[in-house]
Amino acid sequence: GQNIDQPTEMTATEGAIVQINCTYQTSGFNGLFWYQQHAGEAPTFLSYNVLDGLEEKGRFSSFLSRSKGYSYLLLKELQMKDSASYLCAVMDSNYQLIWGAGTKLIIKP
Amino acid sequence: NAGVTQTPKFQVLKTGQSMTLQCAQDMNHEYMSWYRQDPGMGLRLIHYSVGAGITDQGEVPNGYNVSRSTTEDFPLRLLSAAPSQTSVYFCASSLRTDSYNSPLHFGNGTRLTVT
Repeated sequence: GQNIDQPTEMTATEGAIVQINCTYQTSGFNGLFWYQQHAGEAPTFLSYNVLDGLEEKGRFSSFLSRSKGYSYLLLKELQMKDSASYLCAVMDSNYQLIWGAGTKLIIKP
Repeated sequence: NAGVTQTPKFQVLKTGQSMTLQCAQDMNHEYMSWYRQDPGMGLRLIHYSVGAGITDQGEVPNGYNVSRSTTEDFPLRLLSAAPSQTSVYFCASSLRTDSYNSPLHFGNGTRLTVT
């Protein structure tokens, strides 16, 4: 079966760095997406990886290793507004998205 | 551009009632979809469409119908509401179906409670 695993909850301190991991087992691979979802709101797109390596976008970076079925989202210089859930999703060989349950990130002052 | 517009934001139904959740996008997106989101679970695909006149079932289609008569609109119909359908529903669209970097754009969601 197809499966995406990510931690349920993480806590970090304002100004620090946090890494949210995502491991996957899917039927084929056409890319991995990260979305941010604030409580009570819709998910919004953060990043996309299809090749191995690191993609950087300001304070956020996303890494992919296809051979290991592994990705992480790195958030630097954490701000209180980064408190949200972070969703990992993999596009399989049929271009269907397989979603993880999300990681709730709590930022403490 | 309004993006993806989804209505209503909140709805309470009694068991057995029917209703339609509306979804419209003004970005000329090819792909549209409906998801439900339940606590502790990933987003689950209900139905999707790759273009006007074409719809297909997702992971959890039972109890729901869709149609895509135009590129812009993709309503979701609950035929006979059940308490198990209590959830948050999201409509989402993307530019292409089969291209790699085509992220989803989500509507603001509908919180549905079935009593």
